[in-house]
Amino acid sequence: DAKTTQPPSMDCAEGRAANLPCNHSTISGNEYVYWYRQIHSQGPQYIIHGLKNNETNEMASLIITEDRKSSTLILPHATLRDTAVYYCIVPQPGGSYIPTFGRGTSLIVHP
Amino acid sequence: SAVISQKPSRDICQRGTSLTIQCQVDSQVTMMFWYRQQPGQSLTLIATANQGSEATYESGFVIDKFPISRPNLTFSTLTVSNMSPEDSSIYLCSVEASGLANYNEQFFGPGTRLTVL
Repeated sequence: DAKTTQPPSMDCAEGRAANLPCNHSTISGNEYVYWYRQIHSQGPQYIIHGLKNNETNEMASLIITEDRKSSTLILPHATLRDTAVYYCIVPQPGGSYIPTFGRGTSLIVHP
Repeated sequence: SAVISQKPSRDICQRGTSLTIQCQVDSQVTMMFWYRQQPGQSLTLIATANQGSEATYESGFVIDKFPISRPNLTFSTLTVSNMSPEDSSIYLCSVEASGLANYNEQFFGPGTRLTVL
């Protein structure tokens, strides 16, 4: 898997946007960027993924830079329930996709 | 999506004993995965379990310590053998959803929290 770098922790006020960065400077042209999160005492949960276009779903938006060397996960209106560890993953393309989890970013949303 | 359940949800075990963790999926899936998450750490893949074949173990994990069964397309077990306190972790199973979605998303079970005394 391409190496990813994330800040170890961030905090955000409830109701504000949470912007979580990820650096993946060694990404290759056909590798996707996936984001998962793990709420305390639960298994990881898929959030969103993208290749080179910005993506949006009901949970979040994913902004990928034009050179694809970094991306930002945006939670537009963070709630207390968004407090979790967020993982940015770039798995190897082809064959079976098995994510490799790094340390992620621990996001704390405070009132 | 896939709904995954694990049993037990938690257990406290004595050193030297073994514990078998069950993972049940509500749909048929080809590949199932077992992860370990040690306290305060990220997830580490233990092995990949395909139905009808031997599990494939990652570096640092061996079949004698973590035997896995995969009797059908909806069920798998992971046994933690001859446990020591270092085995205290959360053990999670997951499935690849390539057949259930348009992309390779993984669904995870809630985990089994194991404490070894």
